[in-house]
Amino acid sequence: DGGITQSPKYLFRKEGQNVTLSCEQNLNHDAMYWYRQDPGQGLRLIYYSQIVNDFQKGDIAEGYSVSREKKESFPLTVTSAQKNPTAFYLCASSGTRTDTQYFGPGTRLTVL
Amino acid sequence: RKEVEQDPGPFNVPEGATVAFNCTYSNSASQSFFWYRQDCRKEPKLLMSVYSSGNEDGRFTAQLNRASQYISLLIRDSKLSDSATYLCVVNFYGGGGFKTIFGAGTRLFVKA
Repeated sequence: DGGITQSPKYLFRKEGQNVTLSCEQNLNHDAMYWYRQDPGQGLRLIYYSQIVNDFQKGDIAEGYSVSREKKESFPLTVTSAQKNPTAFYLCASSGTRTDTQYFGPGTRLTVL
Repeated sequence: RKEVEQDPGPFNVPEGATVAFNCTYSNSASQSFFWYRQDCRKEPKLLMSVYSSGNEDGRFTAQLNRASQYISLLIRDSKLSDSATYLCVVNFYGGGGFKTIFGAGTRLFVKA
């Protein structure tokens, strides 16, 4: 089955710790994205990548980092510098930057 | 002014009712438009694209009004399973390149 997977589904972290969220796709899409969703707000773009070994900051990149070493994978690290990391994190992919985006099931991160 | 605005609702309607949502956008150069559906604590899923000529998919009709800069979604004969949050999405080329903006969503509750 083709699709986008994210793991874990739920993640708990203590303050001051870095944590990495996984995103994998087997759709052969070039572009991948990370969004954050908070209650009552629209999705906000954290980072995106249009091609392997390249990525760009989105609107709220501070406190986050990414890598794109393989076409299929786009992991997101939430660092201790992120002031308010508790949120629902969604990974998406699209054929190219301008194509329709499809989402993974999300990771719900809670900082204790 | 937000780039994409939606009435947050909630819209509470009985089964069988017809309900319509609007979404306004501020960038007149916006190029493509979509409606996504998001169930509680799940990822957004593409519902339909919105074309200039309007388009219909079963009980769902999407329309675009470029002059007034809004898109609409009409749901006829509402079902309990239509209860969800509906996100409008607008793509455009801005100063920083291609952008995808998600609205915060309109919540719909269909009651028996």
